Amino acid sequence: AQKITQTQPGMFVQEKEAVTLDCTYDTSDPSYGLFWYKQPSSGEMIFLIYQGSYDQQNATEGRYSLNFQKARKSANLVISASQLGDSAMYFCAMRERTYNTDKLIFGTGTRLQVFP
Amino acid sequence: NAGVTQTPKFRILKIGQSMTLQCTQDMNHNYMYWYRQDPGMGLKLIYYSVGAGITDKGEVPNGYNVSRSTTEDFPLRLELAAPSQTSVYFCASTRALRDKNIQYFGAGTRLSVL
Repeated sequence: AQKITQTQPGMFVQEKEAVTLDCTYDTSDPSYGLFWYKQPSSGEMIFLIYQGSYDQQNATEGRYSLNFQKARKSANLVISASQLGDSAMYFCAMRERTYNTDKLIFGTGTRLQVFP
Repeated sequence: NAGVTQTPKFRILKIGQSMTLQCTQDMNHNYMYWYRQDPGMGLKLIYYSVGAGITDKGEVPNGYNVSRSTTEDFPLRLELAAPSQTSVYFCASTRALRDKNIQYFGAGTRLSVL
């Protein structure tokens, strides 16, 4: 069965610094997708970035980049130049797809706090 | 751009009461999902639908029912509410593509069962 592991319950970072949020995964499928979502204190789930297993380059979206290391089965989120508004919960997720379904498996999340 | 709309935003139920959480999307997405998020935890899949008339159980379906009569709507029914169903409920939808499945979420429904 597919599994997502986020080992950092909480992280602190100073404003304008970079921070890496860890995510490891386990799957036997050769084709898969990895996602990061942000959940601010207001509660909504916001899609940040996607990485496909066959993508040759690491995904980037503005200040977000995904450090994808396939052999190590890790998909860490890197946030550059942290801002106070980056304080939130961050969830890593993996796509699980069969012939009749298409779902996301979520990790337990990492709470990031950005301080001035 | 409405996206995924959930109603109500908040609700308090007494043990044994029933209610329906509404979810509608205007993106013509074929796949829709219901998740619950307990305090300090990730999301767990309750039910999902791959199209109108087709639904299936997720990881934690007990105590819930769903229906999908239209592409747009995917209501979640709670029968005989229990304190264990106190949670935040999220509806999501996606147009599942071969290489990508970005799920878009509603704002959530915060439910307390007392």
